[in-house]
Amino acid sequence: SQQGEEDPQALSIQEGENATMNCSYKTSINNLQWYRQNSGRGLVHLILIRSNEREKHSGRLRVTLDTSKKSSSLLITASRAADTASYFCATAPGGSYIPTFGRGTSLIVHP
Amino acid sequence: DAMVIQNPRYQVTQFGKPVTLSCSQTLNHNVMYWYQQKSSQAPKLLFHYYDKDFNNEADTPDNFQSRRPNTSFCFLDIRSPGLGDAAMYLCATSIPSGTGRTLKNIQYFGAGTRLSVL
Repeated sequence: SQQGEEDPQALSIQEGENATMNCSYKTSINNLQWYRQNSGRGLVHLILIRSNEREKHSGRLRVTLDTSKKSSSLLITASRAADTASYFCATAPGGSYIPTFGRGTSLIVHP
Repeated sequence: DAMVIQNPRYQVTQFGKPVTLSCSQTLNHNVMYWYQQKSSQAPKLLFHYYDKDFNNEADTPDNFQSRRPNTSFCFLDIRSPGLGDAAMYLCATSIPSGTGRTLKNIQYFGAGTRLSVL
């Protein structure tokens, strides 16, 4: 069964707007990762946030983690058409080192 | 550049005809994974190698096999492809480090092989 679930499943915005996508998971985790997948390509790691961290930034990306709610959010600020992709959260339950991916959020940024 | 390379990018096979997908890496990572991804779905882990140790997921059909002859190469064999096996197959590598809160396992993916079954 999937550990993480992204919400919304699809998001369509205009260039320059912010995009927010959420991830909920079921069991305790050591860390949570976000990956990006361009259409027809492999996944690319974006950012990792540890369970004792609440917020992390990387360029235009901002990730938050609320372990009490078992949820995370990924914010992309000032989006660009090139940000069009699917975004996946990945969590590894318990002591496992194997991340499990959710279904992803499909983001379309219109120029 | 160090990377994960999958060949071929597109593979067409006939129903029931064995097919092999390949993955190579120059990252010298000790863990290699094979995922199946169908349209608008999450990547589904089929199996992975931790060094030479093979780890099969419980729900991976026997139709799927894997070989890792050395650190750099890993193969996915589909013995008798069915129409339901048409999907994108993703290879990934990683080098897990730390434990507990320091655990870190970032995966590096190839571009994938899209398999069509006729």
